[in-house]
Amino acid sequence: EPEVTQTPSHQVTQMGQEVILRCVPISNHLYFYWYRQILGQKVEFLVSFYNNEISEKSEIFDDQFSVERPDGSNFTLKIRSTKLEDSAMYFCASRPRGGLDNEQFFGPGTRLTVL
Amino acid sequence: GEDVEQSLFLSVREGDSSVINCTYTDSSSTYLYWYKQEPGAGLQLLTYIFSNMDMKQDQRLTVLLNKKDKHLSLRIADTQTGDSAIYFCAVGSARQLTFGSGTQLTVLP
Repeated sequence: EPEVTQTPSHQVTQMGQEVILRCVPISNHLYFYWYRQILGQKVEFLVSFYNNEISEKSEIFDDQFSVERPDGSNFTLKIRSTKLEDSAMYFCASRPRGGLDNEQFFGPGTRLTVL
Repeated sequence: GEDVEQSLFLSVREGDSSVINCTYTDSSSTYLYWYKQEPGAGLQLLTYIFSNMDMKQDQRLTVLLNKKDKHLSLRIADTQTGDSAIYFCAVGSARQLTFGSGTQLTVLP
């Protein structure tokens, strides 16, 4: 069964460093998402991406964040200068186009720890 | 914006039914989902219901939607130890979901 994959599973970085979190969505999906979950808190929407551009973004997704689909398979989240409060689990999700298949399929997450 | 609330903990005995509740604020929400998260794992979609439905049953899972009260529930029949996990209610459109804080379900032998 096709699934969303994410790498790495755990990333440790120093405050101020740049990190890139990688996701491989399901191959025929067209909509891509990033969510984050700070330990013990809710899963929060960050950004959605369709047709090579951002569709929606939340207040959390400020200028420190960017997303990219550099090729036909990867979808990345970059944090330019990490802060302690960026420590969280980051989930990528994808969904097919339209119809009843509107469920978002989530990856296993990348745990980001900022020291 | 949308606000989604869930109780944090639920304990049941193996074989009993579990009922996990969720309330939301935005009556225009179209899709209402239940996700399961096991320790160290990602989010697994369990089931979903559209806003024009009142009930959906899928094997041991029953979802009830009360649109008037903006209340969503997930019932798990014959709860097993493998059902122990965090259950998230997520509400919104296909474009964006708002998650509840999750309910930690503990199944006691």
